[in-house]
Amino acid sequence: AQSVTQLDSHVSVSEGTPVLLRCNYSSSYSPSLFWYVQHPNKGLQLLLKYTSAATLVKGINGFEAEFKKSETSFHLTKPSAHMSDAAEYFCVVRGAGSYQLTFGKGTKLSVIP
Amino acid sequence: DAGITQSPRYKITETGRQVTLMCHQTWSHSYMFWYRQDLGHGLRLIYYSAAADITDKGEVPDGYVVSRSKTENFPLTLESATRSQTSVYFCASRAGGGLNTEAFFGQGTRLTVV
Repeated sequence: AQSVTQLDSHVSVSEGTPVLLRCNYSSSYSPSLFWYVQHPNKGLQLLLKYTSAATLVKGINGFEAEFKKSETSFHLTKPSAHMSDAAEYFCVVRGAGSYQLTFGKGTKLSVIP
Repeated sequence: DAGITQSPRYKITETGRQVTLMCHQTWSHSYMFWYRQDLGHGLRLIYYSAAADITDKGEVPDGYVVSRSKTENFPLTLESATRSQTSVYFCASRAGGGLNTEAFFGQGTRLTVV
């Protein structure tokens, strides 16, 4: 069984300040981990994915995530928020041998000018 | 156009009516999925398909029917729509193979059952 917990349902930051969106996962085996972003009234776009090649994963638009097995975490960060980052972000896990993607409940990021 | 497309984008239907949501992908991906998105629940899997003529239930399949006669199409039918099925529905596809293969999502269908 696998599960994902996004620790904050809503995060608000000022433009130009760092972003931290927190995600903890549970999986019986070595998982695949993804972050997707959904802008208002749009579909979901892949930001980045953990491939086990490196624990620090770089994605699009300046986002990064660090896989920490000991903490079962995969937090998403960005050094400096931009207005265009305002969206909902989903942490997603897929367990080894599983077809299914399990989504967190999402974190809505607001960016204040 | 290449990619994954859903139709219609918006649909209003009455309780008890049958409604079909369409999903079409041009990549010949093996796997296709239907999710519903509801406030506070994230995305939940309704049904998935591993190949043409192979489908299976996800987390919330009750009240839905799927078919996959062709690799590129994966329609979702609500046999008798209920208000609890008001939601945003997303179709996704993924190539078979590696654990880290990403899924690609359609733009979504916003369904309102009145």
